[in-house]
Amino acid sequence: GAGVSQSPSNKVTEKGKDVELRCDPISGHTALYWYRQRLGQGLEFLIYFQGNSAPDKSGLPSDRFSAERTGESVSTLTIQRTQQEDSAVYLCASSPMGLAGANVLTFGAGSRLTVL
Amino acid sequence: AQRVTQPEKLLSVFKGAPVELKCNYSYSGSPELFWYVQYSRQRLQLLLRHISRESIKGFTADLNKGETSFHLKKPFAQEEDSAMYYCALRPLSNTGKLIFGQGTTLQVKP
Repeated sequence: GAGVSQSPSNKVTEKGKDVELRCDPISGHTALYWYRQRLGQGLEFLIYFQGNSAPDKSGLPSDRFSAERTGESVSTLTIQRTQQEDSAVYLCASSPMGLAGANVLTFGAGSRLTVL
Repeated sequence: AQRVTQPEKLLSVFKGAPVELKCNYSYSGSPELFWYVQYSRQRLQLLLRHISRESIKGFTADLNKGETSFHLKKPFAQEEDSAMYYCALRPLSNTGKLIFGQGTTLQVKP
């Protein structure tokens, strides 16, 4: 597609349930990022995939959070046993390559998660 | 550790007034700095990057390594500049993640 596509755009779930958020990056973009944006707060880095390299998971807040990416395509962010503090907009971004000075992130519209 | 600080959560100015959105960073090496913007009901998008040394929509930003700052400036604010602005850093020494600041909401009043 023309841009980064995220689904669902809106998700309301009950505390304790698992959720999966999906990101379709721009075709050909080797780097993919997940960020979290809580209400009134900045962008919090979660995880970064670059080609076939091991992902940088340093931003994942707990072991309830995990993410996968198949090759250079779709990524799924999974949150297990959701808590109310997980409520946020989850943003995905992709870029054409990971080389310094070469890439600019293109963001998706985000998935708004509300945990009741 | 790399860190980006935007000290102002909200900046409110009148149309035509100068604007300066502050950004300070913490990184010992050579960074790559960016400003991203999110207008109401739109996606986060790149505004400008320091290596391009360009002016976008009248905005400029100069990297000051001595003060570790990358403030965003515009001489005459317009109402359409109202948005959320994020400063971001990537260390040039690696291909890793982009670190964002907390963001500053710019409100330009008529």
